[in-house]
Amino acid sequence: GAVVSQHPSWVICKSGTSVKIECRSLDFQATTMFWYRQFPKQSLMLMATSNEGSKATYEQGVEKDKFLINHASLTLSTLTVTSAHPEDSSFYICSASGTDNQPQHFGDGTRLSIL
Amino acid sequence: EDQVTQSPEALRLQEGESSSLNCSYTVSGLRGLFWYRQDPGKGPEFLFTLYSAGEEKEKERLKATLTKKESFLHITAPKPEDSATYLCAVQAANDYKLSFGAGTTVTVRA
Repeated sequence: GAVVSQHPSWVICKSGTSVKIECRSLDFQATTMFWYRQFPKQSLMLMATSNEGSKATYEQGVEKDKFLINHASLTLSTLTVTSAHPEDSSFYICSASGTDNQPQHFGDGTRLSIL
Repeated sequence: EDQVTQSPEALRLQEGESSSLNCSYTVSGLRGLFWYRQDPGKGPEFLFTLYSAGEEKEKERLKATLTKKESFLHITAPKPEDSATYLCAVQAANDYKLSFGAGTTVTVRA
């Protein structure tokens, strides 16, 4: 089956630092990648959609200058949380889709804790 | 705006006790309805895609069905390893984004 790898799985850092999360599709080319945020016992909330080689489309209420998304190749997208603060602590999950008719396949998420 | 409502929030089953999970949805033209399984601390794992009313899909002890307003995930003779949160999501005809429900957490006791 389609495999999506997300790294790191867990990161703890000080307030004010920037954190980069990588999302890779290992066995297919991902034309579209999605970034989600999930709070405890809540469902996934879409943050942004990215297509290879173009700017990401952010959902309403998501600060694009704070959550920088780069989708430089068909197998890699990155999310950088800039100047992170404790309220940014959450579980961030990426997904990838190869074609319009393919389901999204998800990475195993990154637990981000800002002290 | 697309809406997905899942019920119940939590379901506790005895091993072998079959049950069903409900996903009610409103969407402006359905491209597809998706079921995922999520284990604690992990990303969702794809289970099924349903495209049109009347469609059914099966995988081991799981069977998903679809009508014009809702989908059911039937778990037949569940085992403890079926314990997880099951998520339902819809994709509108004019978009590729998924709108997720809050999920049903299933616990199967041996």
